[in-house]
Amino acid sequence: EVQLLESGGGLVQPGGSLRLSCAASGFTFSSYGMSWVRQAPGKGLEWVSGISGSGGNTYYADSVKGRFTISRDNSKNTLYVQMNSLRAEDTAIYYCAKKGSIRGPDAFDIWGQGTMVTVSS
Amino acid sequence: EIVLTQSPGTLSLSPGGRATLSCRASQSVSSSYLAWYQQKPGQAPRLLIYGASSRATGIPDRFSGSGSGTDFTLTISRLEPEDFAVYYCQQYGNSVPLTFGGGTKVEIK
Repeated sequence: EVQLLESGGGLVQPGGSLRLSCAASGFTFSSYGMSWVRQAPGKGLEWVSGISGSGGNTYYADSVKGRFTISRDNSKNTLYVQMNSLRAEDTAIYYCAKKGSIRGPDAFDIWGQGTMVTVSS
Repeated sequence: EIVLTQSPGTLSLSPGGRATLSCRASQSVSSSYLAWYQQKPGQAPRLLIYGASSRATGIPDRFSGSGSGTDFTLTISRLEPEDFAVYYCQQYGNSVPLTFGGGTKVEIK
């Protein structure tokens, strides 16, 4: 069964840091681009960051550029996002999501259950 | 950045009814790289439609997508109780940022 399992969320003070992880199973992890998508409480979905299967290409939303770093360890089938200089507006459920196909643009066919990040003093 | 505007914000319908959800893009979505997702409370989004009109694996045929360019539609032909949820469109073309619409809530009338 294809699965994504996020971890690492929690309460952090403004200006603090947090690293989220997403453990993948049931597919050839290194072949697929992955992304982080977040959802603030009661709000819609916002794409945050993406990474190619090899890890050689990374992409960011303007709202997190320079503060968040996406990475992956294909030997561990794990996706990460390092979040620095956190702000109250970063408070959200963070989902990792798998691209549906190996090549070319595609939708997210598999999502994790999400991990909650709360930025508050 | 491509802005996606979904309408209506809320759709109140009865089970068995037909739902028509709209997603309008601020510029043409290349190669119909447009997806629809369903999200229920406390759950992650689920892919319904990709490529504007292709159903994802396991999605019932009462869900259908259509459109191209800047105007896209998700139709649910006969609403089942489990279909009451929030629906999001997303464009995933060749450039970032990938963007989502604001969502349409389909609620029981």
